[in-house]
Amino acid sequence: EVQLVESGGGLVKPGGSLRLSCAASGFTFSSYSMNWVRQAPGKGLEWVSSISSSSSYIYYADSVKGRFTISRDNAKNSLYLQMNSLRAEDTAVYYCARWRSSSYFDPWGQGTLVTVSS
Amino acid sequence: QSVLTQPPSVSAAPGQKVTISCSGSSSNIGNNYVSWYQQLPGTAPKLLIYDNNKRPSGIPDRFSGSKSGTSATLGITGLQTGDEADYYCGTWDSSLSAEVFGGGTKLTVL
Repeated sequence: EVQLVESGGGLVKPGGSLRLSCAASGFTFSSYSMNWVRQAPGKGLEWVSSISSSSSYIYYADSVKGRFTISRDNAKNSLYLQMNSLRAEDTAVYYCARWRSSSYFDPWGQGTLVTVSS
Repeated sequence: QSVLTQPPSVSAAPGQKVTISCSGSSSNIGNNYVSWYQQLPGTAPKLLIYDNNKRPSGIPDRFSGSKSGTSATLGITGLQTGDEADYYCGTWDSSLSAEVFGGGTKLTVL
């Protein structure tokens, strides 16, 4: 079964840092691009970042560029999101999702909640 | 404000049909594939439609997708109460070099 499991969320103060992880199983992780997508409470989906299978291509949403860093470890079947200089508006459930070549996400993890508050 | 425009809400009776629109531009929908996601309350999004009109295995044929120009449409027939959810369209935007989503449409089955 293809599965993605996020971890690392929690409560952090404005200006703080957090590292999210996504553990993948059930497929050849090193063959797929991966993404982070977030959803603020009561709001819609917002794409955050993507990374190609070999980490050669990396993209960020303007809202997180310069503050967030996506990375992956294919040997550990894991995806990461290092989040620095966190702001209240970064409060959201963060989902990792496998990206398919014609630009769609399947599957999605269950999400991990990040709350930025003093 | 989302790059793709969806109606905030739609509603219909059980057994009826509903359509959800998604409007974009030549830099996104007009030149890229569209996907649709269903998000049931309290759960993660789930892929419903990819490549404009293809259904993943396990998705019933009550769900359909289409695209024309810079707009896409999700259709749901034989509505069931279990279809009550938020629905999102998504695609790649070549000008932004970013994946973009619609603002989401809440479906109510009356």
